[in-house]
Amino acid sequence: GQNIDQPTEMTATEGAIVQINCTYQTSGFNGLFWYQQHAGEAPTFLSYNVLDGLEEKGRFSSFLSRSKGYSYLLLKELQMKDSASYLCALSNDYKLSFGAGTTVTVRA
Amino acid sequence: NAGVTQTPKFRVLKTGQSMTLLCAQDMNHEYMYWYRQDPGMGLRLIHYSVGEGTTAKGEVPDGYNVSRLKKQNFLLGLESAAPSQTSVYFCASSYSTESEPPLGSTDTQYFGPGTRLTVL
Repeated sequence: GQNIDQPTEMTATEGAIVQINCTYQTSGFNGLFWYQQHAGEAPTFLSYNVLDGLEEKGRFSSFLSRSKGYSYLLLKELQMKDSASYLCALSNDYKLSFGAGTTVTVRA
Repeated sequence: NAGVTQTPKFRVLKTGQSMTLLCAQDMNHEYMYWYRQDPGMGLRLIHYSVGEGTTAKGEVPDGYNVSRLKKQNFLLGLESAAPSQTSVYFCASSYSTESEPPLGSTDTQYFGPGTRLTVL
């Protein structure tokens, strides 16, 4: 199985930085995804890591360490529109296994 | 290019009734998926399909059936609805053999807007 753990909730202030951690226990996977999901909407792709290291996309960065079973999503210069759930998912044989998601609330 | 669409958006059923949820994609994707999303449990895979005419069970298949008669459509059926099937259902698709993936990798899944189902 693939136990994927994320914190349930996080709160941060507009303009700040938040780091969402994702830990997993699995025998193997192709890559690790992060999706963003606003309340009442569909999940949308944020980032993908297949190799260890940091992937940067504007205000969002994602890091993967396969040896440590660990990933994080870093959100910089937080904006109110970043209030959403962030889902960590592992891919294997074209299927995704999701964590329960982390709800981030950005306060003014 | 509509991406992934789902019908209906909302539905209320009584216990024991049946219904079919329709998913359509216009990206010529090979793979399609049905998930349910419940509070605190994340997205769980119900059934999936790796091509027209093929289906396979996911993590939580009991009480559901699927069919993929056409490449662009993936149907999810509930033969006898139960209150435990109250949930938000998402369809997703991935993997085109015709073009490089625009986002992430060939594993990247694109989701429909969801169907909110309540079973009384």
